[in-house]
Amino acid sequence: GEDVEQSLFLSVREGDSSVINCTYTDSSSTYLYWYKQEPGAGLQLLTYIFSNMDMKQDQRLTVLLNKKDKHLSLRIADTQTGDSAIYFCAESRGTYKYIFGTGTRLKVLA
Amino acid sequence: DAGVIQSPRHEVTEMGQEVTLRCKPISGHDYLFWYRQTMMRGLELLIYFNNNVPIDDSGMPEDRFSAKMPNASFSTLKIQPSEPRDSAVYFCASSLAAGGGGKTQYFGPGTRLLVL
Repeated sequence: GEDVEQSLFLSVREGDSSVINCTYTDSSSTYLYWYKQEPGAGLQLLTYIFSNMDMKQDQRLTVLLNKKDKHLSLRIADTQTGDSAIYFCAESRGTYKYIFGTGTRLKVLA
Repeated sequence: DAGVIQSPRHEVTEMGQEVTLRCKPISGHDYLFWYRQTMMRGLELLIYFNNNVPIDDSGMPEDRFSAKMPNASFSTLKIQPSEPRDSAVYFCASSLAAGGGGKTQYFGPGTRLLVL
């Protein structure tokens, strides 16, 4: 199908690492994205990865891409309470149209 | 850069009324997108424009919804007549075709619509 799937909830303790997973459907997707949405706000781009890459690191964020399994993950190191938000993955299928995942609500416990 | 600007930020209206949501994309961006977000259906793409021309409106729920982009710096999404099931957060986003950044879409803060 067309769905981009994510688990709905993740809870971690402050200082631990968080790993948010995403399964997408189209092997021809050119770019894959991670967005963050804080309560009452719009979506903020965190990072993106081009489909010919396996990994991308940006400060506390690490993105891993497994094209064979169509699996994308976002690792947040040293998770802080300010990281509590909903995280969306999205795929871009060669056009300017994104397909968004259902979002994962991350709760960071102090 | 001011980012994508949406107005109003909140709208409360009664069933049957016309609602107009407004969006100003980032200057120079040539793609504009309208999304709707609800708890039940998540983020749905309603329509998108390229150089002010509608490219894909397959996500527009029904004829009560219409969108226009009269120029590169302004777009509207209109609901007439509005119904309670239209209550949602409506986001506008824009992107730039050329250059780096991987077709990144930049989102506005959203308009929270409540139809009573």
